[in-house]
Amino acid sequence: QKEVEQNSGPLSVPEGAIASLNCTYSDRGSQSFFWYRQYSGKSPELIMSIYSNGDKEDGRFTAQLNKASQYVSLLIRDSQPSDSATYLCAVKRGVNTGFQKLVFGTGTRLLVSP
Amino acid sequence: EPEVTQTPSHQVTQMGQEVILRCVPISNHLYFYWYRQILGQKVEFLVSFYNNEISEKSEIFDDQFSVERPDGSNFTLKIRSTKLEDSAMYFCASSGGGRGASYEQYFGPGTRLTVT
Repeated sequence: QKEVEQNSGPLSVPEGAIASLNCTYSDRGSQSFFWYRQYSGKSPELIMSIYSNGDKEDGRFTAQLNKASQYVSLLIRDSQPSDSATYLCAVKRGVNTGFQKLVFGTGTRLLVSP
Repeated sequence: EPEVTQTPSHQVTQMGQEVILRCVPISNHLYFYWYRQILGQKVEFLVSFYNNEISEKSEIFDDQFSVERPDGSNFTLKIRSTKLEDSAMYFCASSGGGRGASYEQYFGPGTRLTVT
């Protein structure tokens, strides 16, 4: 079983729609969860972090976490063509520590059409 | 806004040669990391570094790899004898430390290493 699983996509949505990206993880000890955006040929860019069950909103982005189901998602409202990228889910065991590594999923490619 | 920087952006080397990839982490960060991403694959952890020593390393980080913080700003990854399979994007990342610090990891732009 993969540690962090994501649907590779592509997920195609029209401009203005809500894009929903999902991620499951296998390590029940995971405590920190991150969404990164990666444009082709570029480095991962941090979008959101979430540590507690429930929703966390930041502008057009909402991260949702359900530790019991080992599931984290990212909603992008009012999707724009500039949101077209690969979205990486990453998890970490610790919370208030810098020691632990990030474990990444393979990413979901999002395509937003004008 | 502070950012992680990396040099060079692209390095071409012959198999068996040594390469050094350089990174300047965000200035008040205390934790440093190297990740790599082979083309079309996921981002993989290589090593983490704190207080001038390795905190954790992956199976990929074998004896051919080493890291160093030679001064107060630079963080380097050395590959002693490159192999074809070392061709990848190498990302440096850093995160904060201390009271109230965010442990979110911020990535540099990467060095594309091509081994021929």
